[in-house]
Amino acid sequence: AQSVTQLGSHVSVSEGALVLLRCNYSSSVPPYLFWYVQYPNQGLQLLLKYTSAATLVKGINGFEAEFKKSETSFHLTKPSAHMSDAAEYFCAVSLQGAQKLVFGQGTRLTINP
Amino acid sequence: DTGVSQDPRHKITKRGQNVTFRCDPISEHNRLYWYRQTLGQGPEFLTYFQNEAQLEKSRLLSDRFSAERPKGSFSTLEIQRTEQGDSAMYLCASSRPGQGADEQFFGPGTRLTVL
Repeated sequence: AQSVTQLGSHVSVSEGALVLLRCNYSSSVPPYLFWYVQYPNQGLQLLLKYTSAATLVKGINGFEAEFKKSETSFHLTKPSAHMSDAAEYFCAVSLQGAQKLVFGQGTRLTINP
Repeated sequence: DTGVSQDPRHKITKRGQNVTFRCDPISEHNRLYWYRQTLGQGPEFLTYFQNEAQLEKSRLLSDRFSAERPKGSFSTLEIQRTEQGDSAMYLCASSRPGQGADEQFFGPGTRLTVL
């Protein structure tokens, strides 16, 4: 069965600093990978997804993620943090042909002024 | 396109009562999903519909839980004889089949508190 591990339940960075949120997955077959963001009292919004095309995926709000099969990782980065990036971020995996998403436990990103 | 809507947004009930939640997907989306999210955790899959057919159910969906999508449009999730452990955010998502992985669009959720 597939699973997702997000390293660090809480990450804090200064405004303008690099954001790096870590995600490792476990899957016996090539997966689809996603990053979602959740603001307080709201649903989840898709940031980006990997579907076996380019390994470097660009998403909304300046975020990008790189699929590294050898490391089974799909880390999320943003070169310069903005105060509005403060939120909960979830990495998720699904198998090709399957519909359900399996989520990690989430990483809360705090931005310091 | 008004997005996925869920009703109610908040529900407080007493243990042992039945509750029902509604989800209205994006109009052209034929796939609909229910997830449950407890505090500090990621969402967990509950069940999935394609049109009116319920194609997959998680082991998390005990016999007290039932979901329907009778006309392939809106869906309801009912919890009978609620327990305090049912307190969570219940999220609905919808998608339209496309190439590669479907993008699931999430609603704002229904927060259930069981006293």
